[in-house]
Amino acid sequence: GEDVEQSLFLSVREGDSSVINCTYTDSSSTYLYWYKQEPGAGLQLLTYIFSNMDMKQDQRLTVLLNKKDKHLSLRIADTQTGDSAIYFCAEAYSSASKIIFGSGTRLSIRP
Amino acid sequence: KAGVTQTPRYLIKTRGQQVTLSCSPISGHRSVSWYQQTPGQGLQFLFEYFSETQRNKGNFPGRFSGRQFSNSRSEMNVSTLELGDSALYLCASRSAGGLTDTQYFGPGTRLTVL
Repeated sequence: GEDVEQSLFLSVREGDSSVINCTYTDSSSTYLYWYKQEPGAGLQLLTYIFSNMDMKQDQRLTVLLNKKDKHLSLRIADTQTGDSAIYFCAEAYSSASKIIFGSGTRLSIRP
Repeated sequence: KAGVTQTPRYLIKTRGQQVTLSCSPISGHRSVSWYQQTPGQGLQFLFEYFSETQRNKGNFPGRFSGRQFSNSRSEMNVSTLELGDSALYLCASRSAGGLTDTQYFGPGTRLTVL
């Protein structure tokens, strides 16, 4: 089946690291994505990881993939107020062109 | 390079009416996907068009349809509108439709059905 789950809210202090978690159900997923949506805007692709990778780092972003547990996480180092947004985890399959999104995690930053 | 544009940005309709939304992809992009975003259901895939052909379809009723033109512009049509169709409709384009091709989203069309 196709299902991607995320917690709805996360609050972190400015300067701390944020870790947003996601679980997916379909082990045939080939690509896993993280998108960011700011208020009133469309989605922006932050990063993606192939299912045969364990980790990917891109500046302040670190993606960890535990394929055995079907668990994906996004770590944002040194979280800033500009990181306030909704973060969507998504999965896709090589055999299909559609992407399945999670419900999104709203990240809020405390001063 | 201009981004994905969607028109109109806001739309108010009444139940039973039909609506057409438009999406212009980034120049050179041949794949256009449509998504519906609601607070209750989140982001749900509607369909994808590639080179004027529907390549994949989500689990939406037949009232939702789309098409793509030879210039890659796409339209989405919803007939016999229901209150539950109120949502933000997002369009996304990517170059060749490969899964590693970055998908760029437009700002969305917010549809309100009264």
